[in-house]
Amino acid sequence: SQTIHQWPATLVQPVGSPLSLECTVEGTSNPNLYWYRQAAGRGLQLLFYSVGIGQISSEVPQNLSASRPQDRQFILSSKKLLLSDSGFYLCAWSVRGTEQYFGPGTRLTVT
Amino acid sequence: DQQVKQNSPSLSVQEGRISILNCDYTNSMFDYFLWYKKYPAEGPTFLISISSIKDKNEDGRFTVFLNKSAKHLSLHIVPSQPGDSAVYFCAASGRENSWGKFQFGAGTQVVVTP
Repeated sequence: SQTIHQWPATLVQPVGSPLSLECTVEGTSNPNLYWYRQAAGRGLQLLFYSVGIGQISSEVPQNLSASRPQDRQFILSSKKLLLSDSGFYLCAWSVRGTEQYFGPGTRLTVT
Repeated sequence: DQQVKQNSPSLSVQEGRISILNCDYTNSMFDYFLWYKKYPAEGPTFLISISSIKDKNEDGRFTVFLNKSAKHLSLHIVPSQPGDSAVYFCAASGRENSWGKFQFGAGTQVVVTP
């Protein structure tokens, strides 16, 4: 069966510090991978998606970037965090066009 | 540009009764719809889907109805149970969307009371 992991579960970082969140998927090959953010009291905003190694598409301009160094690894990064980057970050995977399966999420607080 | 809207931010329902959650969309190209359930501090879990070739899909206590002409879908939970208390998101994507990109609504908080 497929499993998706995210870490860390929670993170408190000062403004201006770098960020690296990691997501890995097990039990499937060549999945689509996604990064979402849920701000407090808001819905899910798609940040990035990837259909293959090294292929990243950005949905909204922002202070974040994503990379996919391996087939089942997806990384969300920032060089300098802003206060507005605080939120709940979710990684998800899917087979082409079907429902997406989400990881447990990372709660990021930028102070 | 919010293409998927859940206009009720919250819903309170008595245990054993029916919960009806609504979702409206504006993009006529959307043809595949999902419902997710989310507990606090956890990732959303997939509940049920429906494609535009159907107007109803049922899975246990969960039924999704699609009204394409009205661009409206709803999720019925019968009977509601305390464990159904969560935030529910609807999501939609279009036929041309080979990347599996979904637009999500803002969510509806359901509280099931004893």
